[in-house]
Amino acid sequence: EPEVTQTPSHQVTQMGQEVILRCVPISNHLYFYWYRQILGQKVEFLVSFYNNEISEKSEIFDDQFSVERPDGSNFTLKIRSTKLEDSAMYFCASSGSGTNEKLFFGSGTQLSVL
Amino acid sequence: EDQVTQSPEALRLQEGESSSLNCSYTVSGLRGLFWYRQDPGKGPEFLFTLYSAGEEKEKERLKATLTKKESFLHITAPKPEDSATYLCAVQVTDKLIFGTGTRLQVFP
Repeated sequence: EPEVTQTPSHQVTQMGQEVILRCVPISNHLYFYWYRQILGQKVEFLVSFYNNEISEKSEIFDDQFSVERPDGSNFTLKIRSTKLEDSAMYFCASSGSGTNEKLFFGSGTQLSVL
Repeated sequence: EDQVTQSPEALRLQEGESSSLNCSYTVSGLRGLFWYRQDPGKGPEFLFTLYSAGEEKEKERLKATLTKKESFLHITAPKPEDSATYLCAVQVTDKLIFGTGTRLQVFP
C-alpha cells in the first residue's frame, strides 16, 4: 500500500535555529497537510496546501512557519526560528481529493528544541 | 467553539470483552466524522468516515455509528492487537479537529 514518507524521524535543534521537515506524499495525491502533536496532547491542524498555495492555516501557523512544494514529489515545513514550545511530533498527511476523503498520515518527525 | 470530546480517556479490556468508545462533538457545520487508530510513535491510521446521523460502518471487530451529537466506536470481542489509541476527528472546512483519544489496552 502506498504511504507518506517523512524525514528525518527525529530532529534535535537549538532554540532560534531554522529547521526543515520533509515529506513525500503519496504520488497521485493533490492535497497536503501538516499537523502536530505535543506530547500528551491532541493532534492539531497547522496548514493545508492545494494547487501550490495554502488553502487554510491555523493560529499556530504564524510568520515563523512556511510550507513549500519545491518539486513534484516533496512537501516541506520550515520553521525559521524555533522556540521551545515548537517541540512536538509533526505529521505530514495527504489525500487524493480533499479532507472529505481519508487522510494518509506519515509516521512523523519528532522535533526537540533545546 | 468547535469541540471534540472523547471518553473514556483509557480503557482496559480482557480479550473477548466487548465495549464502546464515545466521541461527542459540537461543531458549526459537520462535514464528516473520522475515526483513526494511532499506535505509539506512529501517525494516525484511517478507520472510518461517517457523514450523516444514522450512518454505520464496520470493519472486522470495529463498528462506528453516528448521531447528531456523538459517535460510538464499538469493539466486539477485541484481541490484544486491537490495543492502540483511537482518535475521533470532525471535519470543519479544510481541517480536522481531533479529540484527545481513548487509549485502549486489551489483555490476553
